[in-house]
Amino acid sequence: NAGVMQNPRHLVRRRGQEARLRCSPMKGHSHVYWYRQLPEEGLKFMVYLQKENIIDESGMPKERFSAEFPKEGPSILRIQQVVRGDSAAYFCASSSTGRDTQYFGPGTRLTVL
Amino acid sequence: GEDVEQSLFLSVREGDSSVINCTYTDSSSTYLYWYKQEPGAGLQLLTYIFSNMDMKQDQRLTVLLNKKDKHLSLRIADTQTGDSAIYFCAESPSGTYKYIFGTGTRLKVLA
Repeated sequence: NAGVMQNPRHLVRRRGQEARLRCSPMKGHSHVYWYRQLPEEGLKFMVYLQKENIIDESGMPKERFSAEFPKEGPSILRIQQVVRGDSAAYFCASSSTGRDTQYFGPGTRLTVL
Repeated sequence: GEDVEQSLFLSVREGDSSVINCTYTDSSSTYLYWYKQEPGAGLQLLTYIFSNMDMKQDQRLTVLLNKKDKHLSLRIADTQTGDSAIYFCAESPSGTYKYIFGTGTRLKVLA
């Protein structure tokens, strides 16, 4: 019974490069959420997706960030032209119905040099 | 505002009880959660409480909820060194899908 999976666990990028973070929800879950944790802070909501739909992206920065959850395959959080301030841990969570408990993955730790 | 507040640090001796406090903001929150994060790891769901409950006990964990004061606490009985971690409370406001997390309380258990 695999939990929420994220890869890579660690990602290093130079300023200006692109970062792609992947999240596979728990089996049977079709609701995915992305959160960002800056150093020494709590998690901040970024975006909520169902299959092929973005439901709430109120926490996403207006530029450079995008997310998708295609019909087949994992959810992707994409950060273009990364800057040092993007360095953080990015967590994905999934739930069964969208209104129930969210289960978190191990996170991807992004470091921008 | 959306600030869920927690004290930053707590230090206890092994075998003592730990009490971690949280003040949340939205009285409409239906569920309130406690998560544990060990160094370099993800968030592990510890327990949650429904807003119409005052207390929930689960083995060594006791959650107390004071809706009037919007205050939530997590008590860990017989604290062990393996309990050393950051503990986050989170609220789930009614009508939204997102969780609002506190800043986390770093628990250090002294042997």
